[in-house]
Amino acid sequence: QVQLVESGGGVVQPGRSLRLSCAASGSTFSSYAMHWVRQAPGKGLEWVAVISYDGRNNYYADSVKGRFTISRDNSKNTLYLQMNSLRAEDTAVYYCARDLLVGATTGGLDYWGQGTLVTVSS
Amino acid sequence: EIVMTQSPATLSVSPGERATLSCRASQSVSSNLAWYQQKPGQAPRLLIYGASTRATGIPARFSGSGSGTEFTLTISSLQSEDFAVYYCQQYNNWPTFGPGTKVDIK
Repeated sequence: QVQLVESGGGVVQPGRSLRLSCAASGSTFSSYAMHWVRQAPGKGLEWVAVISYDGRNNYYADSVKGRFTISRDNSKNTLYLQMNSLRAEDTAVYYCARDLLVGATTGGLDYWGQGTLVTVSS
Repeated sequence: EIVMTQSPATLSVSPGERATLSCRASQSVSSNLAWYQQKPGQAPRLLIYGASTRATGIPARFSGSGSGTEFTLTISSLQSEDFAVYYCQQYNNWPTFGPGTKVDIK
């Protein structure tokens, strides 16, 4: 059974940084692209970033480009999201999610973690 | 960016009835369309991908159809556990989600 567990959320002041982690188990983590998706309180879903299965390629939503960095450590089965220069509008539950297909980056998301809440407030 | 719209925003249905949810893309996404179900306090769950393929473990009462810019999710006979918010998502380009349709009890 695939399991994704996020951690690292919390309350942070505007302009500060935070790093989220997503620990994966139950499948071959290194075979799948991984994504971060966020959901502001009471709002819909917003895709944030993706990293290829081998970590060589990553892409970002315009809203976070230049501030957030996605990375992975396949030896630790862990995905990361480094978030810098945080803004109030970054306040959301952040989910990690696995891509649909082995060895590809499709954008379809078949397994999701339970999410971690990031609150940006002074 | 491909903009996704969903209708209606809220759908009130009685248990056992059929529910039909619509999703439209601002440009063609071929069949690169997924549907997700989200209940309060939970993560989204994949229901349908490739516009019409049910994900693992999804009951047969859920079905998807469409291609290009027009898509439909049908729940043939609503069960109590189906009352939730449903999102469509295109992945033909960088992923974008629709605003969601809330299915509540009539």
